[in-house]
Amino acid sequence: GEDVEQSLFLSVREGDSSVINCTYTDSSSTYLYWYKQEPGAGLQLLTYIFSNMDMKQDQRLTVLLNKKDKHLSLRIADTQTGDSAIYFCAESPRSGGSYIPTFGRGTSLIVHP
Amino acid sequence: SQTIHQWPATLVQPVGSPLSLECTVEGTSNPNLYWYRQAAGRGLQLLFYSVGIGQISSEVPQNLSASRPQDRQFILSSKKLLLSDSGFYLCAWSGPGQGHSGANVLTFGAGSRLTVL
Repeated sequence: GEDVEQSLFLSVREGDSSVINCTYTDSSSTYLYWYKQEPGAGLQLLTYIFSNMDMKQDQRLTVLLNKKDKHLSLRIADTQTGDSAIYFCAESPRSGGSYIPTFGRGTSLIVHP
Repeated sequence: SQTIHQWPATLVQPVGSPLSLECTVEGTSNPNLYWYRQAAGRGLQLLFYSVGIGQISSEVPQNLSASRPQDRQFILSSKKLLLSDSGFYLCAWSGPGQGHSGANVLTFGAGSRLTVL
């Protein structure tokens, strides 16, 4: 079955880059997602990547995928206090089995001024 | 455009009382619908999902139940709440048929915070 692991906390200074890491176990073709949850709110999709890609960039966000190590990272450039939130990694298989995403426990990003 | 609504946003209930949380989606047809619970420090736990009216799949045995009386309405219920039912409940939807050959992107509601005393 799928399993998604994330570290629970990350603290950075405003203006620095943040790198949030995630590992997954599903060996089949899969989609990998990053969601953001601000305090007291629901989750919001940031970006997703298919497992045949190595990188995806969208403005300040860069997703890197190491398929061999099943390691996914989200880099936030020039981190701002408004980026403080919980970031969830998730995966869902491309076909076969349950298509429902499996979520990690979330990484709390704390940005200090 | 599609929107998702959840209510109530906040609820404080005594142990043993009933529960009803409602979720509706607008702007789409035949969505896949989901109920998640988020307990402190424990990430997201999938409770129920539905691919159509009257079709409910339960992921975790508990004293909660779900119903889908209409295409875009998903209700989470309990006859008698336990202290352990406290948490943040999230409803989500994804496009019909998503996930079978492509990304299954979930759109979440704003959540309902339940405190059982």
